Amino acid sequence: QQQVKQSPQSLIVQKGGISIINCAYENTAFDYFPWYQQFPGKGPALLIAIRPDVSEKKEGRFTISFNKSAKQFSLHIMDSQPGDSATYFCAASMMGRWEETSGSRLTFGEGTQLTVNP
Amino acid sequence: DTEVTQTPKHLVMGMTNKKSLKCEQHMGHRAMYWYKQKAKKPPELMFVYSYEKLSINESVPSRFSPECPNSSLLNLHLHALQPEDSALYLCASSHRDRGSDEQYFGPGTRLTVT
Repeated sequence: QQQVKQSPQSLIVQKGGISIINCAYENTAFDYFPWYQQFPGKGPALLIAIRPDVSEKKEGRFTISFNKSAKQFSLHIMDSQPGDSATYFCAASMMGRWEETSGSRLTFGEGTQLTVNP
Repeated sequence: DTEVTQTPKHLVMGMTNKKSLKCEQHMGHRAMYWYKQKAKKPPELMFVYSYEKLSINESVPSRFSPECPNSSLLNLHLHALQPEDSALYLCASSHRDRGSDEQYFGPGTRLTVT
């Protein structure tokens, strides 16, 4: 129940195209869903995050779509650029249960290696 | 400023050595984390400190010993490591309240155990 399943494992997109990465979860207690971007040799950087009370959040070229009933969320990267080439991780946590869990435990998906060709 | 700093960037150590990894943040975050990340895998949580107290230990072997000297600093002491402990070690921090769960990661320490 703690798993977050991410797909695809790798994705190749042409410059200017739309990159779409999907995640699915089982645990309905998850209430915070961030996406992280990681370049080789660097730490993950928080990209965008969403709470289950909204269905979509947009920040620049990055959009999270959230479907609570299907327990799925996805990252859309519009006008993909070569500089977007990185590994993307979705994650989930039970932010509202901080006291019970004694801390924040992010459950990560397995990651998607995105390559944007020029 | 959302910066978490980690030192050293790279570390090579033998199996009998003792070394320490250091992490620092000045965002006023009261929760700090250690993660281990293997190549092409997501980060794996090792320890969580909340208000300078260890709140989560994910059954990490005792050859890894965390320490939180104050609210801005987090150390990871290493002793008698195994080659399979070679990985990227990431520190992260977040606000310790229910209104925010944004974890900010440092650049990591690339550890090689020989």
